[in-house]
Amino acid sequence: EVQLVESGGGLVQPGGSLRLSCAASGFTFRTYGMHWVRQAPGKGLVWVSGIKTDGSSTNYADSVKGRFTISRDNAKNTLYLQMNSLRAEDTAVYYCARGQTKSAYDWGQGTLVTVSS
Amino acid sequence: QSALTQPASVSGSPGQSITISCTGTSSDVGGYNYVSWYQQYPGKAPKVMIYEVSSRPSGVSNRFSGSKSGNTASLTISGLQAEDEADYYCSSFTSSSTWVFGGGTKLTVL
Repeated sequence: EVQLVESGGGLVQPGGSLRLSCAASGFTFRTYGMHWVRQAPGKGLVWVSGIKTDGSSTNYADSVKGRFTISRDNAKNTLYLQMNSLRAEDTAVYYCARGQTKSAYDWGQGTLVTVSS
Repeated sequence: QSALTQPASVSGSPGQSITISCTGTSSDVGGYNYVSWYQQYPGKAPKVMIYEVSSRPSGVSNRFSGSKSGNTASLTISGLQAEDEADYYCSSFTSSSTWVFGGGTKLTVL
C-alpha cells in the first residue's frame, strides 16, 4: 500500500523558513516523479513544485520560484520542500503526491503551514 | 499559470447525471492528453478519479467518466449518489512542464 506522510509544518513568522518532508513507502520511490500541492484554507488546490525521479529536473509555480526548493533523497525514500522568505499567502495545507501519467496518483494527508506574526 | 476554469457549483438529484467542465488553453488542456480529475471531501486529501482525460484508476466506479474537446475537458458522473457530494478539481500538464489546477467545483446531491 502506498503511504505518503508529510511532516515539518507549523507556525512561522513572515520572512522565515521551513522545511517540509514527505516519507514514502509501499512503492519504489526512486522510479516516480513527486510533487507538492498546496491548499489555502477554504480555497482550491494549487500545484507548487515537481521533481523527476533522479532529482535532475525540477519545476516550480511562478508564485514560489526563487523562494522554494524541492529535493529528494532516494536512499531515504523522502521528498523535501525547503521554503524560504515565507509570506502570509503561503499559509496552506501542503500535500505531497506521487506522480504517475502526469497526474497526482497518490496523496499524503497534508501538513499545515501557517505564516503569521 | 492561470487556473483552469470550472463552474463553482453544480447539483443534481440521485440517479441523474451531471457534467463538470474544465476550460483551459492550447498550452494546457488543449495541447496534451494529460487532464486529471480529483475528488475531495472536506478535511480530506484529494483522490484521483480520472487520469489521461478518460482513464479510471482501479477501484474507481465506472459511473465516473472523462472526455475532452479542444480546450475543454469534462467529468461526467452518472447515476448520482449521495456519496458523490464533494469538491471536484481538474488539472492539466502544461507547456511549461508545470501542472495547473482548476478552481474547483462543489457538487451538491439534492
